[in-house]
Amino acid sequence: DAGVIQSPRHEVTEMGQEVTLRCKPISGHDYLFWYRQTMMRGLELLIYFNNNVPIDDSGMPEDRFSAKMPNASFSTLKIQPSEPRDSAVYFCASSLGTSSSYEQYFGPGTRLTVT
Amino acid sequence: KNQVEQSPQSLIILEGKNCTLQCNYTVSPFSNLRWYKQDTGRGPVSLTIMTFSENTKSNGRYTATLDADTKQSSLHITASQLSDSASYICVAQFSGGYNKLIFGAGTRLAVHP
Repeated sequence: DAGVIQSPRHEVTEMGQEVTLRCKPISGHDYLFWYRQTMMRGLELLIYFNNNVPIDDSGMPEDRFSAKMPNASFSTLKIQPSEPRDSAVYFCASSLGTSSSYEQYFGPGTRLTVT
Repeated sequence: KNQVEQSPQSLIILEGKNCTLQCNYTVSPFSNLRWYKQDTGRGPVSLTIMTFSENTKSNGRYTATLDADTKQSSLHITASQLSDSASYICVAQFSGGYNKLIFGAGTRLAVHP
């Protein structure tokens, strides 16, 4: 298996532009997570899906952020409009479950820079 | 407040030496404690997962311990190698609800030849 796939790996954009991050989870995994990692705050959960349905979006910072999972093999995280404080590494992860029996497998991340 | 604190923030050791990283958590209700290794420019990779009833778990040269009474965990690395240079993140999971993971800030380990 190729693992969790994210694209792009790097994104540089100007403030006010729309940014779309993409994720393909591991085949067969029912759970998909979006995380943000910064030096100041470490790793934070933004939102997660179970069977393509958003379950917990309490970590989404504000209305500028939205996430979708149109099918079991694809998810997007969109920021519109982007701001410099959104600069971070965004990780997608997937798993078979959420209990202690299940590991979360992380993708390589997308490094976002908003100038 | 539910949080995970790690120490030290950074550590430098010589190749072949052992080291121990510390983690304190205040997550409640508690389900399990995880350690992840994150190489520079990559996503975190799971090393160990321990439930509240487990005291120790090993993964090769990595040994994690858990004291659920004092809410402390440690990760011991034996005979360090250059490839152990990475950030090590301690993560506590809630029991029930959304089973949310709470991440520590990580310990950045550098192994020098």
